Amino acid sequence: DAKTTQPNSMESNEEEPVHLPCNHSTISGTDYIHWYRQLPSQGPEYVIHGLTSNVNNRMASLAIAEDRKSSTLILHRATLRDAAVYYCILRPRIQGAQKLVFGQGTRLTINP
Amino acid sequence: DTAVSQTPKYLVTQMGNDKSIKCEQNLGHDTMYWYKQDSKKFLKIMFSYNNKELIINETVPNRFSPKSPDKAHLNLHINSLELGDSAVYFCASSLMAGELFFGEGSRLTVL
Repeated sequence: DAKTTQPNSMESNEEEPVHLPCNHSTISGTDYIHWYRQLPSQGPEYVIHGLTSNVNNRMASLAIAEDRKSSTLILHRATLRDAAVYYCILRPRIQGAQKLVFGQGTRLTINP
Repeated sequence: DTAVSQTPKYLVTQMGNDKSIKCEQNLGHDTMYWYKQDSKKFLKIMFSYNNKELIINETVPNRFSPKSPDKAHLNLHINSLELGDSAVYFCASSLMAGELFFGEGSRLTVL
């Protein structure tokens, strides 16, 4: 399973943008980059995913480096509710069940 | 309406007992999963079923037996519980290649 590296923790202030980095230098050409987050005492929830181009949805944006060896999840205006552990995961682009392999993730703290 | 629901949410039991955790999804998904999150907070996949057929079976002791009576349900039965089984167990579902939807978790404590 291709590996991702994320900082253990990050801190930001409410209503400011947050950039969560992820390194995946061993990514293969068929790997999608997925982001999930886990709020306290809840199950993980899907945030966003992408392959090569930058992606936007209502929750966040995903910026993917041109060589695809790193990506950044961007929360445009953090709220207290965004405090969670954020997981960057690589998923092969093959048919079949999603054996998502979760790493340690980044624990994001949002200060009021 | 809860999309992926697990019962019970909390389970406290003695070593050596047998217990079950139930999971149901109302999303019309064809694939369901069990994940285990230990005290160090690592999430590890245990099993996955697609259309009632086992398709992922990680290295899990055979005291753990999943059962999928239909596409909407995936139950986890654990025999002869051990202290190390204490964890939060998450059920999830997806369409085969789609995003996963997780339940809120079932916290199992083995004394």
